[in-house]
Amino acid sequence: EIVLTQSPATLSLSPGERATLSCRASQSVSTYLAWYQQKPGQAPRLLIYDASNRATGIPARFSGSGSGTDFTLTISSLEPEDFAVYFCQQRSKWPELTFGGGTKVEIK
Amino acid sequence: QVQLVQSGAEVKKPGSSVKVSCRASGGTLSNYIIDWVRQAPGQGFEWMGKIIPSVATPDYAQKFQGRVTITADKSASTVFMELSSLRSEDAAMYYCASFIVMGENGAFDIWGQGTMVIVSS
Repeated sequence: EIVLTQSPATLSLSPGERATLSCRASQSVSTYLAWYQQKPGQAPRLLIYDASNRATGIPARFSGSGSGTDFTLTISSLEPEDFAVYFCQQRSKWPELTFGGGTKVEIK
Repeated sequence: QVQLVQSGAEVKKPGSSVKVSCRASGGTLSNYIIDWVRQAPGQGFEWMGKIIPSVATPDYAQKFQGRVTITADKSASTVFMELSSLRSEDAAMYYCASFIVMGENGAFDIWGQGTMVIVSS
């Protein structure tokens, strides 16, 4: 099983600051990585697929990068609605898939 | 666009089974890849298995082999997930989600609202 490790577990930032979230895979997943945002009591929302492609309707302040084992989600300037938990997910060895443990972005 | 509507919360006793449904609203699930994942309180997500209703042959995560059954009712556009021999650690929010092939791989672009399963004697 491919393990995804996200860091940091919690990121304390102020609105307007830049957020950089990391997701590391235990083996290469090529670019087959997605990022999701989850708010309390809600299902996740897709942000990024194939490591760097923004999903429909996702603001340009969200960007993804990386390939192989190291990936980054960047929020260029945090808006109040961006404080949430973010998960990465891979499906490189069909049909199995795994998720990272999540990074909580909280207001400092 | 299709929406996924799940059945309501369940309270089950240890050792029993639970069956959760995931119904398509506004379309059909025939050619969709429908996965089931669960999220224990305050935890990450765990993949359980998937089905393509038009094919109807499911795949299961090794951890749940023998305990989970995923089926599809094509005429009703509903997918079901049944988990048996419930134990306390099965208490979680269960989600169905549609994995859409996009670009070179894909992602979950449509999620059900989740079904809370509580396991308590």
